[in-house]
Amino acid sequence: DTAVSQTPKYLVTQMGNDKSIKCEQNLGHDTMYWYKQDSKKFLKIMFSYNNKELIINETVPNRFSPKSPDKAHLNLHINSLELGDSAVYFCASSQVLWGELFFGEGSRLTVL
Amino acid sequence: RKEVEQDPGPFNVPEGATVAFNCTYSNSASQSFFWYRQDCRKEPKLLMSVYSSGNEDGRFTAQLNRASQYISLLIRDSKLSDSATYLCVVIPTTGNQFYFGTGTSLTVIP
Repeated sequence: DTAVSQTPKYLVTQMGNDKSIKCEQNLGHDTMYWYKQDSKKFLKIMFSYNNKELIINETVPNRFSPKSPDKAHLNLHINSLELGDSAVYFCASSQVLWGELFFGEGSRLTVL
Repeated sequence: RKEVEQDPGPFNVPEGATVAFNCTYSNSASQSFFWYRQDCRKEPKLLMSVYSSGNEDGRFTAQLNRASQYISLLIRDSKLSDSATYLCVVIPTTGNQFYFGTGTSLTVIP
């Protein structure tokens, strides 16, 4: 049973399109996150939700919109995709805020 | 200046060798420190937390030097399976997020 699962694992799309990445965790954790890992392997937080409430919203373009329908899900929607959005997006969860992070396998987004 | 800096490597070492990585952090008020491991094209996973007094887990030893603002990871008797990228993670006292280093790449050679 995968603890943190995200779909799709691979996404290839054209510039200007809108896409979503879904994330679900079955660990019963209260906090979920979205991280972006660029080509230089730098992991940077994008959003953090605690009990379905947004608590961190780093300086990402407002084309990125997270949605948390419940504590176990945190989805990421991206509008008007740009070349620079190409990266691996990791969903993660933790039992408490800033506790040990459990990552999903990542969603590799390629924008052409 | 970046919050967390690591030597990206790569470190190429023979099996059985001892290898050490350092990671420096800029915020002297940082409170929590971790090492994560990321295999190629996989997700990061917690390797170990770093405690003030230093801590050991099998072949892995983590240490914290607050005066010089760095943490270290020592791997003894390297195995082929230790080949991965090791990410240093710091949480500031404000506790408002994790700061990841860019990672140090290790390859253990037979």
